[in-house]
Amino acid sequence: DTAVSQTPKYLVTQMGNDKSIKCEQNLGHDTMYWYKQDSKKFLKIMFSYNNKELIINETVPNRFSPKSPDKAHLNLHINSLELGDSAVYFCASSHRDRNYNSPLHFGNGTRLTVT
Amino acid sequence: GNSVTQMEGPVTLSEEAFLTINCTYTATGYPSLFWYVQYPGEGLQLLLKATKADDKGSNKGFEATYRKETTSFHLEKGSVQVSDSAVYFCALSDRGDTGRRALTFGSGTRLQVQP
Repeated sequence: DTAVSQTPKYLVTQMGNDKSIKCEQNLGHDTMYWYKQDSKKFLKIMFSYNNKELIINETVPNRFSPKSPDKAHLNLHINSLELGDSAVYFCASSHRDRNYNSPLHFGNGTRLTVT
Repeated sequence: GNSVTQMEGPVTLSEEAFLTINCTYTATGYPSLFWYVQYPGEGLQLLLKATKADDKGSNKGFEATYRKETTSFHLEKGSVQVSDSAVYFCALSDRGDTGRRALTFGSGTRLQVQP
């Protein structure tokens, strides 16, 4: 009964490769997010989608491209991976709430290591 | 812009000790404030929240009071357990520089409780 599931859990790859991380939620939420957590645990929003429409696109290299085929899925594709992309990537979802008072539900994270 | 500052960790306590994790914020409007907790190997989950000044959020023995005059939202628990060992994130939701509401996280504070 996983609410927000993301795959893979671990991803080890070489510089220059292209990889994807998948995310699915079964909570009926209409808003989904990608966050990046660096080695010091600092969490930063990357993207936010509402009903398949891009809402937030923070300053992220255009090598990162989110894709939302439907409101239950938000995948993250990364081109030409760099060492600095190594981090834990979290998918999250919530009900649409302009005040963010609805809690975010997070997946368990994907640890990406670029060598 | 908006920001959240937390005390650096790790915070190491013995079981049944009193816990305080400090959190102060900077916001342009009237933010809602949150504490999220991340247990090892898992995603973040909402612990408690407060949406206006002087509100007290509470859950699982944890409490935090929204203090507008000191721009603080310190997390407290009277008697910690080993199972409380986790990383705790303070967060706020407010309009950012773009005029769009977003959730801003602090850098997290690791709590280690020893038996």
